[in-house]
Amino acid sequence: LAKTTQPISMDSYEGQEVNITCSHNNIATNDYITWYQQFPSQGPRFIIQGYKTKVTNEVASLFIPADRKSSTLSLPRVSLSDTAVYYCLFNQGGKLIFGQGTELSVKP
Amino acid sequence: SAVISQKPSRDICQRGTSLTIQCQVDSQVTMMFWYRQQPGQSLTLIATANQGSEATYESGFVIDKFPISRPNLTFSTLTVSNMSPEDSSIYLCSVVGAGGFTDTQYFGPGTRLTVL
Repeated sequence: LAKTTQPISMDSYEGQEVNITCSHNNIATNDYITWYQQFPSQGPRFIIQGYKTKVTNEVASLFIPADRKSSTLSLPRVSLSDTAVYYCLFNQGGKLIFGQGTELSVKP
Repeated sequence: SAVISQKPSRDICQRGTSLTIQCQVDSQVTMMFWYRQQPGQSLTLIATANQGSEATYESGFVIDKFPISRPNLTFSTLTVSNMSPEDSSIYLCSVVGAGGFTDTQYFGPGTRLTVL
């Protein structure tokens, strides 16, 4: 079963760009890579999804190299409100399998 | 985007009792899921709620403990049966939009369950 590995925690300061890298060495051909954000006492919120190369939306960018064994979520100019847990996960035929997540702390 | 509501938002229950959690979506969706998030932990998939048929459970979860219904394309229930303190968790409903399994997956606000 495919598994993701990401840093447990990261610290940043307001206005900085934050890059969170996720390893997924045994990703399957059909798996999409998806990132979610979760604030305390709330359900996870979709950020971005991709299959390969680069995907960008109004919130973040997702970089996926050709071998797809890793992916990097890039958050431009973070603010205090970006403090949350970020999950890298696979969309396996509609099922999302969550890993441990990265707790991002943004400081003033 | 799909708007999901869950009832109740929280509850405190006694050991040995059962609680049914409702999940309502504002539009028809192709897939519905139930997750559990124990305190300080990540989310664990309990089962896929299938319309008109038995739910598909993940390893470690059984129908007798977590019976699930999905009578139509916008509604599902999860029952936590014969509860013990170890069942204290947040239970989340999740749906995939009408675009199919690659469509965005949305989560409800969760139901915070405390078992005494």
